[in-house]
Amino acid sequence: AQSVTQLGSHVSVSEGALVLLRCNYSSSVPPYLFWYVQYPNQGLQLLLKYTSAATLVKGINGFEAEFKKSETSFHLTKPSAHMSDAAEYFCAVSLAFSGNTGKLIFGQGTTLQVKP
Amino acid sequence: NAGVTQTPKFRVLKTGQSMTLLCAQDMNHEYMYWYRQDPGMGLRLIHYSVGEGTTAKGEVPDGYNVSRLKKQNFLLGLESAAPSQTSVYFCASSYPPRSNTGELFFGEGSRLTVL
Repeated sequence: AQSVTQLGSHVSVSEGALVLLRCNYSSSVPPYLFWYVQYPNQGLQLLLKYTSAATLVKGINGFEAEFKKSETSFHLTKPSAHMSDAAEYFCAVSLAFSGNTGKLIFGQGTTLQVKP
Repeated sequence: NAGVTQTPKFRVLKTGQSMTLLCAQDMNHEYMYWYRQDPGMGLRLIHYSVGEGTTAKGEVPDGYNVSRLKKQNFLLGLESAAPSQTSVYFCASSYPPRSNTGELFFGEGSRLTVL
């Protein structure tokens, strides 16, 4: 069975500070991993994804994440927070083999607050 | 390019009423999904479909039914709404995993309140 745990339901940073959102996963087979962002009253938008190529993945808006198999982690970082980064962030996992149903299992979400 | 479109965007129901949420995608995706989003619980899969005419249960299917009569449409029905079904519902679609890496494309959500 697969699962995702996001550590911290709320994270608050100052503008210009480092953003670190934590995600740990559990999967019995090699996973695909995703980070989605949700702005208020909108749907989910893909930030980045890990698909068994490079372990350091770069996404949109300056975000990146590193897949660490030994730690079963896929933490999201951004060197310098911007006010526009305030949103809810979701980590998700799916199975990396053909024939699966493409279902994503989501974490509980982390709300990022950026203070001026 | 509309992507994934959900209707209606907002709805208020009384307990026991029925309704249908419509999801339409114009990307020729084979797979479609209905999720619900509740505070502190992330998104949970209700039902999904891997092709026209097929549906399957997800994590929280009770109280919901679905139909996929056309490839581009995926309907979510509530036969007898309950207050526990107050939520934001998201539809998503994707290509089959064998031809892509599993990215889902989401609609903007439908906010349902059951009184």
